[in-house]
Formats: sequence, structure tokens, C-alpha cells
Amino acid sequence: DGGITQSPKYLFRKEGQNVTLSCEQNLNHDAMYWYRQDPGQGLRLIYYSQIVNDFQKGDIAEGYSVSREKKESFPLTVTSAQKNPTAFYLCASNWQSNTGELFFGEGSRLTVL
Amino acid sequence: KNEVEQSPQNLTAQEGEFITINCSYSVGISALHWLQQHPGGGIVSLFMLSSGKKKHGRLIATINIQEKHSSLHITASHPRDSAVYICAVSPQGADGLTFGKGTHLIIQP
Repeated sequence: DGGITQSPKYLFRKEGQNVTLSCEQNLNHDAMYWYRQDPGQGLRLIYYSQIVNDFQKGDIAEGYSVSREKKESFPLTVTSAQKNPTAFYLCASNWQSNTGELFFGEGSRLTVL
Repeated sequence: KNEVEQSPQNLTAQEGEFITINCSYSVGISALHWLQQHPGGGIVSLFMLSSGKKKHGRLIATINIQEKHSSLHITASHPRDSAVYICAVSPQGADGLTFGKGTHLIIQP
């Protein structure tokens, strides 16, 4: 079955450590997105990619980095520069940016100890 | 700045009731999405619409482009409908979506 797989589902890290969240899709989608969700707030866009080897910053990109070396994969690295990294992270994809139904992964919950 | 406002923020109803969730936005859009998020956190797309009305099972979504307003209706509500319902819009000429804060729906048996 086609879909988006995020891993890990839960992650704990110490302050000062970088962590990488995985997002893989087998839907043949060009566009992929990373969103952050905090309690009481709407999802906010961190980074998005419309095509392989290209990506753009979203509204809250500071302290995060991404890569898009393969169409299927869009990993997100939460760096030590992110001041408040504890959050729920969601990866999504669709055929083209801003067109078509969005498909979401199950999310990754990051807790900084 | 594009704002997406949902109402109500929280809604508790009895099984069988007709449910309406509203979404208003402030800029021109190319599409509006209704999403469902269950307690585990995963999100499922319910509808994507740019005009008129769509129906899927007991769910109905409508949009009025002129009034910049959309509604999500649930007929014959059931406890399994309990979830957070999120409205999101694709602003014209922009990448990505703008999300509402969600409506937390609880259907009691």
C-alpha cells in the first residue's frame, strides 16, 4: 500500500544534540513538506520541497535543516540551534506544491530532556 | 497575512446529532482542505475543494468562495467521529498551506 512512513514515532534527546527525523513516501509525489504542531496552535510549515535537490524554507525554518537527495525521502534534522524543539512533527506530500490531496505520515513526537 | 479561523474550538455532542464545524479565511485561495486528526496524531485528508459541495458517506463539505467560508457537516454522528478536525487553505500564489487551530469534537454515546 502506498503511503508516508515517518520514524521514529517517539524520540527523546538531550539538549545540544542534533536529531534526524525520517520521512519516506512511495506515492511518487513530487512535493514534500515538514510541519510542526504545538498544543493549541495550527500546523506550521518548517520546510518544503517541490522537486529533488531543491527545497525552500517555510515560516519557522530556523534551527532546522533538510535534504532531498531522492524523490522518496525528505529527512528533517532538528539542530541544537532550535531553541524549543519539543513538539510533534508531521511530514506530508502531494503531487505538486499546493495542488492535490495531501497525504500525511503518522508523526514523530520529539521530547528534549 | 492569511488567517484561518475555525469555530467552535471545542464541541461535545450526543451520538446521532448533526454536527457543523465552520472555517473562515481572509485571502484568495486555490483550494481548501478538511483534515481529521485522531488522538494518536496521524492526519487523514477528508476533502479538498475549491467550489460547491462534496459528500463522502456521512460527511459533507461546502465552500462559499465569495464569502471566504467553508463548513464541514457530519450527519448521524458516532463516537468514532471523535477527533480534531482541521481546516487548511492553499493561498493563491503561495506555496504550502495555512492551517486553522482545529476543532476538538467529542461524540458521547
